[in-house]
Amino acid sequence: EVQLVATGGDLIQPGGSLRLSCAVSGLIVRDNYLSWVRQAPGKGLEWVSIFYAGGATYYADSVKGRFTISRDTSRNTVYLQMNSLRVDDTAFYYCVGGEGSSSFDFWGQGILVTVSS
Amino acid sequence: YVLTQPPSVSVAPGQTATIPCGGSNIGSRGVHWYQQKPGQAPVLVISYNSDRPSGIPARFSGSNSGDTASLTISRVEAGDEADYYCQLWDSATVHWLFGGGTKLTVL
Repeated sequence: EVQLVATGGDLIQPGGSLRLSCAVSGLIVRDNYLSWVRQAPGKGLEWVSIFYAGGATYYADSVKGRFTISRDTSRNTVYLQMNSLRVDDTAFYYCVGGEGSSSFDFWGQGILVTVSS
Repeated sequence: YVLTQPPSVSVAPGQTATIPCGGSNIGSRGVHWYQQKPGQAPVLVISYNSDRPSGIPARFSGSNSGDTASLTISRVEAGDEADYYCQLWDSATVHWLFGGGTKLTVL
C-alpha cells in the first residue's frame, strides 16, 4: 500500500519561509514522480511542482523562483521549500506520487499552510 | 491551455451522470479524472482517458474525442456525490493542468 504523509504545515507571516516534508512508503521516490498539488480553501486543485524520477524539476508559474522541490532518496522523502510566502499561497498542500509523469496516482492527506499577518 | 468544466451537474440515483471537460483538440491528449469527497484528498478514478485504476468500480468510465473529454458514471449512487476534476499534462509548457472542477449532486 502506498502512503504519503506530509508534515510541516503552519501559520506563517507574509514574506516568511516554510518547509513541507512528505515521507513516502510503498513507492520508491528515486524511481517515481513526486509532486505537490495545492487547493485554496473552497477552491479547485492547482499543480505546484514535480520531481521527475530522472531528476528534473518543474514549477507552476505562480511559485517559480520562490518554491524549491527536493528529495532525499535515503529517507524516501520529498520536500517543498517555500520562500517569500504570499497570502495567496494559503492552501491545503497535497503530496502526490505517480508511477508515470502524467497522472497523479497516489495522494497523501492535505496539510494546511496559512499565510497571514 | 484551458480546461473547462461546468460548475455543477445533478442526477437522480440510478441514472447516468456525464461530466464534460472541454479543451482545444483535447482528444489528442491523455486526460485523467479525480474524485474528491468533502474533507478528503482526491482519488484518481480514470487515467489516460478511459483506464480504471484498481479498485475503481466499473460504473466509472471515460471517453475523449474532439474538443471534449467526458467522465461517465452509470447507476449513480448517493456515495458518488463529490467534486470531479479533469487533468492533463501540457507538453508545450511542461505544466500539469486541472479543470475548475464539477460538483456532482445526487438528487
